[in-house]
Amino acid sequence: TQLLEQSPQFLSIQEGENLTVYCNSSSVFSSLQWYRQEPGEGPVLLVTVVTGGEVKKLKRLTFQFGDARKDSSLHITAAQPGDTGLYLCAGYNQAGTALIFGKGTTLSVSS
Amino acid sequence: DAGVIQSPRHEVTEMGQEVTLRCKPISGHNSLFWYRQTMMRGLELLIYFNNNVPIDDSGMPEDRFSAKMPNASFSTLKIQPSEPRDSAVYFCASSRNNYGYTFGSGTRLTVV
Repeated sequence: TQLLEQSPQFLSIQEGENLTVYCNSSSVFSSLQWYRQEPGEGPVLLVTVVTGGEVKKLKRLTFQFGDARKDSSLHITAAQPGDTGLYLCAGYNQAGTALIFGKGTTLSVSS
Repeated sequence: DAGVIQSPRHEVTEMGQEVTLRCKPISGHNSLFWYRQTMMRGLELLIYFNNNVPIDDSGMPEDRFSAKMPNASFSTLKIQPSEPRDSAVYFCASSRNNYGYTFGSGTRLTVV
């Protein structure tokens, strides 16, 4: 069974701090996606990483796909209160037909 | 586009009652997914449709759950009879060719 393990489960930091959250699996994924979910809303796609070792930047967010395509990380520089939310990683199931999700990291950034 | 539209946003029902959740996907998207989210289990895939045809319903918890997609612009998820353990947020998502899912705002279901 494919599983995506995310850590930490919860993270509470002050505005301006840097942070990294992780998404790990024992399975190889063809790609991984990162979503952010705000309270009362559905997840919103942030980025897709496809190639092992790939790094993508989205303003202050940096996403990396592991060389073996089993893990990914999300680094946020100078976090802001607007970054608060649940960060989810997702990859396609073995049949390649639907996304499975990790349980997510809940980030709280206070000013 | 208005995005994926789900209704109702909130539903409170008594144990044993039938519950129907509704979803209107984005026009032009050919894949539709139903997920359930709880604190304990996270986002779980229940069922997905491709071109209105159910492809895999192995995530549906039990026979009390059923889903239909009578046309490209509408899908329902029905629970009959409902139980307290069904309480969760239910999301519908759609995509074009299974890439980059767009989620609705969800239906928060409480069964008392």
